[in-house]
Amino acid sequence: QSALTQPASVSGSPGQSITISCTGTSSDVGGYNYVSWYQQHPGKAPKLMIYEVSNRPSGVSNRFSGSKSGNTASLTISGLQAEDEADYYCSSYTSSSLYVFGTGTKVTVL
Amino acid sequence: QVQLVESGGGLVKPGGSLRLSCAASGFTFSDYYMSWIRQAPGKGLEWVSYISSSGSTIYYADSVKGRFTISRDNAKNSLYLQMNSLRAEDTAVYYCAREGYGLYYFDYWGQGTLVTVSS
Repeated sequence: QSALTQPASVSGSPGQSITISCTGTSSDVGGYNYVSWYQQHPGKAPKLMIYEVSNRPSGVSNRFSGSKSGNTASLTISGLQAEDEADYYCSSYTSSSLYVFGTGTKVTVL
Repeated sequence: QVQLVESGGGLVKPGGSLRLSCAASGFTFSDYYMSWIRQAPGKGLEWVSYISSSGSTIYYADSVKGRFTISRDNAKNSLYLQMNSLRAEDTAVYYCAREGYGLYYFDYWGQGTLVTVSS
């Protein structure tokens, strides 16, 4: 199972919006509404930010939103803040009953 | 509050074995699927294995199939990963993670335990 494809880095100024893409295939991202997104600060465990494509867990800021079109899912961070600087990973359930993660995106707040 | 605490990591020689444990608290452990996910130094996340709430359903990533065994003891609120025939490429921080009640995502993660495979 190949990793889902994410851009290596995305940057933006405080207050701006950025979007991170996550591209897979019809056997994972495109086949199921089971895409989730995780935020990871250096030296810390990942934190769930979005599940089932567009649902936010309790306690996660509404500045984070998710969507999907075909084989590509997206995470949008609006009103970018310094604390959003972190690595972000997407994940999808697959047709083989397994899970696959994305390659990861480093978000830099300029 | 939900807590997941991994232990058992360390330095092991190639070909050796190690058993990781994950102690769960703050929720009804026997109600949830659990997974192991790893992260090599400076690299991305890689899902390793999951086990259903009863232990009857288990899946592994191809990279560890036949070498790693996941198990759980619901009476002890514990998750395990027996790792055999370890290779240098298994060097990583290993996280245990709870799957959300609706499945298909990981809503709580432990702090991780580092496994280093080196001679």
